Amino acid sequence: GAVVSQHPSWVICKSGTSVKIECRSLDFQATTMFWYRQFPKQSLMLMATSNEGSKATYEQGVEKDKFLINHASLTLSTLTVTSAHPEDSSFYICSARDRAGVGGYTFGSGTRLTVV
Amino acid sequence: SQQGEEDPQALSIQEGENATMNCSYKTSINNLQWYRQNSGRGLVHLILIRSNEREKHSGRLRVTLDTSKKSSSLLITASRAADTASYFCATAALRGTASKLTFGTGTRLQVTL
Repeated sequence: GAVVSQHPSWVICKSGTSVKIECRSLDFQATTMFWYRQFPKQSLMLMATSNEGSKATYEQGVEKDKFLINHASLTLSTLTVTSAHPEDSSFYICSARDRAGVGGYTFGSGTRLTVV
Repeated sequence: SQQGEEDPQALSIQEGENATMNCSYKTSINNLQWYRQNSGRGLVHLILIRSNEREKHSGRLRVTLDTSKKSSSLLITASRAADTASYFCATAALRGTASKLTFGTGTRLQVTL
């Protein structure tokens, strides 16, 4: 089945630094990928929709200059958390659907970001 | 917020019992999906039910959909300890093939031996 690889699985960084999270579709092409944020014991909140070859679409309240998204190829989307603060600490998950648009969405295994 | 609601928020049952989780949503949908999430991990797609379907089965899973009530239920029969996880419903809006998903609040299921 479809596989989405997300890397790293966890990262600890200092306040003020930037962190890049990668999301790769391993065996299918994804023109669209989605980035979610999840706080402990809460649901997933969509942050942005990543579109291959064009600008990402951000959800209301999500700072596009803070959460930079790049979708340079049909198999890779990256999320960069810039100038990270402790309140950015969270679980970030990406997902994708193959171009045929059939069936459910495939999710990465998530990235636990801790900003100290 | 367009987020759906799920109940119960938490459910604890013994192995072998059935577990039922309910989901309500707010907008018109193309389909509704159920996902499982083990602690600290990504989501695993369980089952998708389209808006013109009323019931769907997959192994020990049974999903119902009532679009008139904007609600769905997930039944796990003969539960196992390995079913312990959080379960989320997610709705896909009525547009496009890459529709974004809106997730429910989730149900944390604990299955004890």
